[in-house]
Amino acid sequence: GAGVSQTPSNKVTEKGKYVELRCDPISGHTALYWYRQSLGQGPEFLIYFQGTGAADDSGLPNDRFFAVRPEGSVSTLKIQRTERGDSAVYLCASSRDRGQPQHFGDGTRLSIL
Amino acid sequence: QQQVKQSPQSLIVQKGGISIINCAYENTAFDYFPWYQQFPGKGPALLIAIRPDVSEKKEGRFTISFNKSAKQFSLHIMDSQPGDSATYFCAPTLSNYKLTFGKGTLLTVNP
Repeated sequence: GAGVSQTPSNKVTEKGKYVELRCDPISGHTALYWYRQSLGQGPEFLIYFQGTGAADDSGLPNDRFFAVRPEGSVSTLKIQRTERGDSAVYLCASSRDRGQPQHFGDGTRLSIL
Repeated sequence: QQQVKQSPQSLIVQKGGISIINCAYENTAFDYFPWYQQFPGKGPALLIAIRPDVSEKKEGRFTISFNKSAKQFSLHIMDSQPGDSATYFCAPTLSNYKLTFGKGTLLTVNP
């Protein structure tokens, strides 16, 4: 596709469950980013990948959050033992390289009941 | 500590008017100053951006004004249109990889 694709678009699960959120970046983009946007707020940085490696994971709130990008393309954000406070829209962005404009997907709306 | 402060929180403008949104930042190391536009249910989209070596940049109806000494930059939308109704975020960054978003400004342009 032409843009960043995120699946699922919506996810509803119960507290304590494990969830995986997927991001397909724009083809050829080496840099990939995850952000989290709470209701009425701006997105907050979570993690940045350059290629396969997590170059900066300083925004991950705690060790329940983990992200991978094993082949340098698709990335998965994983959340263990979900809590109600994890409810938010999780946004993925990619760029041709670090320092280039970031292109965002439409996000996954995660709701923890 | 809030690194980025946006104002106003919301703004209502008549069609054809000028919309002005302001952003103040604290981190003097920021070196890239973008504005993003977000429609409901969509991800943010880059609207216009400026680097600190220039004081103003214009693209069509959109202009960024940058005041390095005051640590502020603003977005001006000329001839505002109902289709411009959206939430606008400033997101200054160091080396354009960790965007630091403001809380957003909800712009409504009345027909």
